[in-house]
Amino acid sequence: GDSVTQMEGPVTLSEEAFLTINCTYTATGYPSLFWYVQYPGEGLQLLLKATKADDKGSNKGFEATYRKETTSFHLEKGSVQVSDSAVYFCALGSGNTGKLIFGQGTTLQVKP
Amino acid sequence: DAGVTQSPTHLIKTRGQQVTLRCSPKSGHDTVSWYQQALGQGPQFIFQYYEEEERQRGNFPDRFSGHQFPNYSSELNVNALLLGDSALYLCASRPSGYLNYGYTFGSGTRLTVV
Repeated sequence: GDSVTQMEGPVTLSEEAFLTINCTYTATGYPSLFWYVQYPGEGLQLLLKATKADDKGSNKGFEATYRKETTSFHLEKGSVQVSDSAVYFCALGSGNTGKLIFGQGTTLQVKP
Repeated sequence: DAGVTQSPTHLIKTRGQQVTLRCSPKSGHDTVSWYQQALGQGPQFIFQYYEEEERQRGNFPDRFSGHQFPNYSSELNVNALLLGDSALYLCASRPSGYLNYGYTFGSGTRLTVV
C-alpha cells in the first residue's frame, strides 16, 4: 500500500541555519503531496503542497519539490527561526477519496 | 471565518466506556475525515464522510463508528474503550471535488482512557 517515510528526528539547528527534512513516498498513481506543521498542543496546519511532478510548493520561506523520479518531497528552508520549532509531517493524498497518509513526523528545534 | 471546530478539547474515560467526539467543518466544506494520532506518531486515517455516508474506512475495528449530519457536522463514536485508544483525535474537512485542495484540521480532542 501507499506509505510515507520521513527522516527521524529530532533535528536541532541554530537560528538562521539551513533546514532540510527528507521525505520519500511509495504510491500507485500520481498522488498529491503535502507538508503539515504541528505546534505544541495544536492540530495540523497545511504548510505547502504539490499536485504533480516537478511542482514546487512554497510558503513562509519553506519549499518542497515533487520529484517523481526519486519519489521524494524534501522540505527546505534557507534560514530557520526559533518560531519554526514544531513537528513537521509529510503526507500524500491517496486513492479516490484523497485520504491522507502521513509519515511519522520530524521534530525541529531551533535554538537562538 | 471559523475553521474546523472540535469538542470537547479533553476527555478522560474509563476502560469499557463509550465516547462521542464532535466536529464542525470549516464553512464551505462538506467532506469530513477523522484521524487518530498516538503520542509521537503521525495521524492515522479512521474514516471519511460525505453526503452523510461513510466513503472510506481505514484499518480500525468496528468499535469506531461515525455519523455525518445534514449540516455537514460529524461525530466519532468509540465503544468499549481500550487503554490503547488514548490519543489525539483530529477532524479534518475539505470541499468535495477538490482532492488536491488539502485538508483543514481542527485542534483535536485529547482522549485519555484509564
